[in-house]
Amino acid sequence: AQSVTQLDSHVSVSEGTPVLLRCNYSSSYSPSLFWYVQHPNKGLQLLLKYTSAATLVKGINGFEAEFKKSETSFHLTKPSAHMSDAAEYFCVVRTFYNQGGKLIFGQGTELSVKP
Amino acid sequence: DTEVTQTPKHLVMGMTNKKSLKCEQHMGHRAMYWYKQKAKKPPELMFVYSYEKLSINESVPSRFSPECPNSSLLNLHLHALQPEDSALYLCASSQGFGGTQETQYFGPGTRLLVL
Repeated sequence: AQSVTQLDSHVSVSEGTPVLLRCNYSSSYSPSLFWYVQHPNKGLQLLLKYTSAATLVKGINGFEAEFKKSETSFHLTKPSAHMSDAAEYFCVVRTFYNQGGKLIFGQGTELSVKP
Repeated sequence: DTEVTQTPKHLVMGMTNKKSLKCEQHMGHRAMYWYKQKAKKPPELMFVYSYEKLSINESVPSRFSPECPNSSLLNLHLHALQPEDSALYLCASSQGFGGTQETQYFGPGTRLLVL
């Protein structure tokens, strides 16, 4: 069965410094992996998606993630944090179609950005 | 355009009331989803519709009744809810279930309070 683990429940950075949100996955086959962001009292917005085309995936708002099969990781990074990046971030893996094609969410990482 | 709309934004209802949540997308997506999200938790899948037919029911209590009248519209009918059903209800849609079609796009959610 597939699963994701977000290694930090809360990350705090200063504005202008790099962001690193960590995610490990478990999957028997090449997975589909996603990062979604949720701002307070909002729905989820897709940041980026990995589907085996390229290991370094670029997303919106300057975010990117690198798929590392040997480490079963899919960490999210951004070179310079902005105040508007403060939000909840979810790492997500998609189960295979014969398992319902469901999204399996990590528990989330809350990102705080200090001025 | 990747917009999913949901109405109402907020809903307060008593335990004896009947109400409905509405979700709409005009992207031609053939799969639609209902999720429930409690505070500080990831979304939990409730229902999946594929080509207007219910394909997944995650053992949701019968006081929640989904309906897909057409390919653009998804409703969630609520009856005799309990206070623990208070949550953010998210709708999502995707083109399909595999490959480039699998990405789910989320609406802003309906914040439900059951008194």
